[in-house]
Amino acid sequence: AQSVTQLDSHVSVSEGTPVLLRCNYSSSYSPSLFWYVQHPNKGLQLLLKYTSAATLVKGINGFEAEFKKSETSFHLTKPSAHMSDAAEYFCVVTLGSSGGYQKVTFGTGTKLQVIP
Amino acid sequence: DTGVSQNPRHKITKRGQNVTFRCDPISEHNRLYWYRQTLGQGPEFLTYFQNEAQLEKSRLLSDRFSAERPKGSFSTLEIQRTEQGDSAMYLCASSLAGSYYGYTFGSGTRLTVV
Repeated sequence: AQSVTQLDSHVSVSEGTPVLLRCNYSSSYSPSLFWYVQHPNKGLQLLLKYTSAATLVKGINGFEAEFKKSETSFHLTKPSAHMSDAAEYFCVVTLGSSGGYQKVTFGTGTKLQVIP
Repeated sequence: DTGVSQNPRHKITKRGQNVTFRCDPISEHNRLYWYRQTLGQGPEFLTYFQNEAQLEKSRLLSDRFSAERPKGSFSTLEIQRTEQGDSAMYLCASSLAGSYYGYTFGSGTRLTVV
């Protein structure tokens, strides 16, 4: 069984300040973890992924996330928020497999508001 | 290839009518997925195809829903006798089989049943 919990439904930051979006996961096996971003009325865009290589993962637009197995966390961070970062962010866990459906579980999302 | 394309972007229909959505995946991706996203929720899995074979369906996919991928390229999702509870964003994604690199999503089709 697997699950993912996004601890905050809304996060508000001032432009130029750091961003922290929290995600905890539960998985019986070694998971693959992803962060996606969704701007209003748009599809989801992959920000970054962890697939058992380096634990600190760098993504697009200056975002990064650190996989911490001991804490079962995969928090998303960015040193300095930009107005264009305002969107909804989804943490996703998958059970990778060489065949068959990779069961994918989405978190409920965190809406990021950036205040000018 | 410009990514995953979904049509239409928006659809408003009266309750009881049938609707059909189309998804064109990235051409070299052999897996195609359908998800449904309601307001304030993350996407929920509906079904997926590997090439033309529909390999898994969620319990969310009632018998009013049917999906096809006849030639292993584009896919259609049809909802018969629509209900107000079907109002949602329907997202399509594609990937390579066995890929751990995430999915590429389309922009979705927003369905409103009135």
